[in-house]
Amino acid sequence: DGGITQSPKYLFRKEGQNVTLSCEQNLNHDAMYWYRQDPGQGLRLIYYSQIVNDFQKGDIAEGYSVSREKKESFPLTVTSAQKNPTAFYLCASSMTTGVRSEQFFGPGTRLTVL
Amino acid sequence: DQQVKQNSPSLSVQEGRISILNCDYTNSMFDYFLWYKKYPAEGPTFLISISSIKDKNEDGRFTVFLNKSAKHLSLHIVPSQPGDSAVYFCALPGMRFGAGTRLTVKP
Repeated sequence: DGGITQSPKYLFRKEGQNVTLSCEQNLNHDAMYWYRQDPGQGLRLIYYSQIVNDFQKGDIAEGYSVSREKKESFPLTVTSAQKNPTAFYLCASSMTTGVRSEQFFGPGTRLTVL
Repeated sequence: DQQVKQNSPSLSVQEGRISILNCDYTNSMFDYFLWYKKYPAEGPTFLISISSIKDKNEDGRFTVFLNKSAKHLSLHIVPSQPGDSAVYFCALPGMRFGAGTRLTVKP
């Protein structure tokens, strides 16, 4: 089955710790994305990557870092510099970043920082 | 700056009736629009899209209307079913999503 997997589904961390969220896709998509969703808000773009070894900041990149060493994988690290990291994180992929390219989303990871 | 707005956070309709979800955008340069549907604790899934060369696109029970002069989109679901209960996001090119509208369809 082709799709996007995110793990874990729920994650708890202490304040001040870095944490890495996993995102893997087997759809052979070039583009991958990370979004954050907070209650009552839409999806806000953190980072995106159009091809391997390349990525760009989205609207709210501060306190986050990513890597794209493999086409299938786009992990997101939430660093201690992120002031309000508790949120629902969604990873997505699409064939390209073209405007008509629909995105396929993973099931999300809910991060809670205690 | 909010380039896409969904001003109704929630909508409740009776099964079998029409659901109308609205979306407004600010930049008239956008030429393609998408709607996504999201169930709790899941990622959004693509529902329907429309190009600015059209004013209507229909897919089964789902129809999206585009009013370019008003910079307004609407998603119509007819007839509404309880399984349609979800959050619906309007999305623009450039990975921009609205805040979503939570639709509840009552049996």
